[in-house]
Amino acid sequence: SQKIEQNSEALNIQEGKTATLTCNYTNYSPAYLQWYRQDPGRGPVFLLLIRENEKEKRKERLKVTFDTTLKQSLFHITASQPADSATYLCALGRRNQFYFGTGTSLTVIP
Amino acid sequence: GAVVSQHPSRVICKSGTSVKIECRSLDFQATTMFWYRQFPKQSLMLMATSNEGSKATYEQGVEKDKFLINHASLTLSTLTVTSAHPEDSSFYICSARDWTDRNEKLFFGSGTQLSVL
Repeated sequence: SQKIEQNSEALNIQEGKTATLTCNYTNYSPAYLQWYRQDPGRGPVFLLLIRENEKEKRKERLKVTFDTTLKQSLFHITASQPADSATYLCALGRRNQFYFGTGTSLTVIP
Repeated sequence: GAVVSQHPSRVICKSGTSVKIECRSLDFQATTMFWYRQFPKQSLMLMATSNEGSKATYEQGVEKDKFLINHASLTLSTLTVTSAHPEDSSFYICSARDWTDRNEKLFFGSGTQLSVL
């Protein structure tokens, strides 16, 4: 079965720095990869999608890369702010299948 | 953007009772909805895929008789936890996909925190 792992359960960085989160997967060939943000006690909120034939996607302070050879996606938040503190989930999908990673809890320290 | 409404947000029940959770797509039709379970500080675990007008598809290890799913219309899916026990206590989240959205993203409900005493 597919396995999706995200780097360290928790990540603490200083405000203004770039946060980099990783998502590694095995036993699966996704057509696309998505990143979601989840705040405590809430459902996840969609941030970005990148398809298997794309290398990089950007949206404001967010950047996602997708390497299907390494089976890895990197998620960057530049100029991080305390409001970016949340849990970030990667999700792999193909047609009607969606599988989520373990999540990384990000804390941006003022 | 699309909105998914989930109710109730929190429920406390006695062991042995059944609990129904509703998931509605408010401004789009959802032929498929997904039900997830999430334990504290863990990721979302897909329980089942709910298809309008047909039987749900359950993931391996999820008891279909325990977690009854009904998707009677294009905007409503329900999850009933039957004869709930303390080990069923968890955060349950539904999601739906708007097929007109080429981003293929999921829209999530706000979740239901179930506590079984």
